[in-house]
Amino acid sequence: NAGVTQTPKFQVLKTGQSMTLQCAQDMNHEYMSWYRQDPGMGLRLIHYSVGAGITDQGEVPNGYNVSRSTTEDFPLRLLSAAPSQTSVYFCASSYSKTGGGNQPQHFGDGTRLSIL
Amino acid sequence: KQEVTQIPAALSVPEGENLVLNCSFTDSAIYNLQWFRQDPGKGLTSLLLIQSSQREQTSGRLNASLDKSSGRSTLYIAASQPGDSATYLCAVLFSNSGYALNFGKGTSLLVTP
Repeated sequence: NAGVTQTPKFQVLKTGQSMTLQCAQDMNHEYMSWYRQDPGMGLRLIHYSVGAGITDQGEVPNGYNVSRSTTEDFPLRLLSAAPSQTSVYFCASSYSKTGGGNQPQHFGDGTRLSIL
Repeated sequence: KQEVTQIPAALSVPEGENLVLNCSFTDSAIYNLQWFRQDPGKGLTSLLLIQSSQREQTSGRLNASLDKSSGRSTLYIAASQPGDSATYLCAVLFSNSGYALNFGKGTSLLVTP
């Protein structure tokens, strides 16, 4: 099992450029999400999905789009990159909340993004 | 707003010591609590998950406890080693917050030889 795979690992963009951060999981998890990690701010939820075709906003969704066409993939799109989006981005997945709360969330290794 | 706080922010101990990391949260209605380890420049590795109905979980030298009524969890590391040096994150899944984990800002641990 590869778990949660994120690509690319590093990326440098210029202000105004767009790009897609990829996330794939091979554990047949219903739930997937994107977080950003910034110094002094901790991890904050950007968008999440509870299944194919269903997405919703988290705490900091502005400037980002998501879609979920398959169970395995949950890409994050930056529409017009801004320096404030310089961050480390993590994708996570888990089974649904059924089962008494014994399902951990699994994280990818992250994408380190710099916007110049 | 539901919040998760970790104290201390940083900790330095000599090798071999037993140590305790603290996590507090503002709402006792939780689904579960997870402890993660993060090495510099790396992703998050799940260490332990405690369900709402449980009081503690153990894995090797690690023991995590949960007291929902007081809004506290502790991560106990026995016989610390230099390889334990990392940032430890506490994350709470509150019952009414869907699937969004609420993270503390972490405790940065340094174990010196």
